[in-house]
Amino acid sequence: RKEVEQDPGPFNVPEGATVAFNCTYSNSASQSFFWYRQDCRKEPKLLMSVYSSGNEDGRFTAQLNRASQYISLLIRDSKLSDSATYLCVVNPNSWGKLQFGAGTQVVVTP
Amino acid sequence: DAGVIQSPRHEVTEMGQEVTLRCKPISGHNSLFWYRQTMMRGLELLIYFNNNVPIDDSGMPEDRFSAKMPNASFSTLKIQPSEPRDSAVYFCASSDGQMSKGAQHFGDGTRLSIL
Repeated sequence: RKEVEQDPGPFNVPEGATVAFNCTYSNSASQSFFWYRQDCRKEPKLLMSVYSSGNEDGRFTAQLNRASQYISLLIRDSKLSDSATYLCVVNPNSWGKLQFGAGTQVVVTP
Repeated sequence: DAGVIQSPRHEVTEMGQEVTLRCKPISGHNSLFWYRQTMMRGLELLIYFNNNVPIDDSGMPEDRFSAKMPNASFSTLKIQPSEPRDSAVYFCASSDGQMSKGAQHFGDGTRLSIL
């Protein structure tokens, strides 16, 4: 079993719609969690950290469910510029190596 | 503030040649990571350093790959001799560790093509 698993998509989303997707992680002792976005042929960029209580950053909402070991990302009012691959990232301890999911591709269409 | 700086941005060379990739981490970050990304294998961690000391090099594919971090502001990843299967995008990332719960910041990457 992979350490971090994501639905690869693509999720085809009309502009202005809401899209949500999850990832699951295997290490129940994982310490911290992030969503990164990666545009085609670009570097991964930190989108947001994920906190236990859930958190929002503008149109983006992240949730963490430790009991079920999954993380979710919801994008409201999708923009064309939201088209990207979203990487679920888990820190299994308080330092060092991160575990990256393979990414979920989101395509926002006009 | 300057982010992680990598050079060169692109490298095209013939197999058998030595390739050296360079990275300058964000000032004050004490951890540095080298990754490789391909369509087939995704993002792979090659090696990481903490306070300039290599901590885990289990991802380095073979002896042709080596990495150094002589000081807190500079690291190199060297491939010698290079092979066509080494063609990939190589990313360097840095982190301030506990302060950001381990979040890493990536450079623009080096796109390496071995002919």
